[in-house]
Amino acid sequence: DAGITQSPRYKITETGRQVTLMCHQTWSHSYMFWYRQDLGHGLRLIYYSAAADITDKGEVPDGYVVSRSKTENFPLTLESATRSQTSVYFCASSEASDIYGYTFGSGTRLTVV
Amino acid sequence: AQSVSQHNHHVILSEAASLELGCNYSYGGTVNLFWYVQYPGQHLQLLLKYFSGDPLVKGIKGFEAEFIKSKFSFNLRKPSVQWSDTAEYFCAVNAHDMRFGAGTRLTVKP
Repeated sequence: DAGITQSPRYKITETGRQVTLMCHQTWSHSYMFWYRQDLGHGLRLIYYSAAADITDKGEVPDGYVVSRSKTENFPLTLESATRSQTSVYFCASSEASDIYGYTFGSGTRLTVV
Repeated sequence: AQSVSQHNHHVILSEAASLELGCNYSYGGTVNLFWYVQYPGQHLQLLLKYFSGDPLVKGIKGFEAEFIKSKFSFNLRKPSVQWSDTAEYFCAVNAHDMRFGAGTRLTVKP
C-alpha cells in the first residue's frame, strides 16, 4: 500500500473554496479511480481514468474535476466546495479495469465548513 | 450500470461464531465480484475475488465466498470469527468499473 499515496490526510476548508486532493501511485497502473465514502452509501465512484489524458465520469461526478497528465498522478479538484462534499475520499489504482481488484490509498478526510 | 445490495448493516457476533454476510448484485452480463475489508481507521483491502472457474473462492484470513449465478449472489462466509475480524465489509461488482455495496459493519465480541 505504500505504492499509492494520498495527500493531505485531513483537510478543512470553507464553503466556496477550491480544494485539490492529490493521489500518486508508483506501480504505473493504467487505471486510477476516485471514490467518496459516506455512511450508509458505501463507496461511490466519482471519476476514473483508463490512462493518461483519458478520464470519465462515475456515479457522482457533479462538483468535481479531475485531470491525468501523467500516469502516476490523478488529482481531484472540488471547484467550489459545498458542505455536502464533506466525506472521506479514496483514490485507487488497478492494472486493468475489471479483472483485478483495486489497491486503495489511505484516504483524505475532507470537512467543508 | 451494475448495483450491489448488502442486506445486513450491522452484525454482532461472539468469537467462534460462524459468519455469513449477504451480497446481491444486479447486472445482466458477466461480472467480476469482490469482497473488501476496512479495519477501523484504515483503507480498504482486498479479501477475495471471483472472475471465473470454481464458484467457491477462498480468500485471506479464512474467509470464503460462493458465487451463485442464478441468485445473483456472492455471500461471504467464515466458519469461526475472531475479535480481530471486527471491521466493515464491502461487496463490490466490477462490470466496467467497481461499484460497492453500502457495507456491513461486523462487531465481534470477545
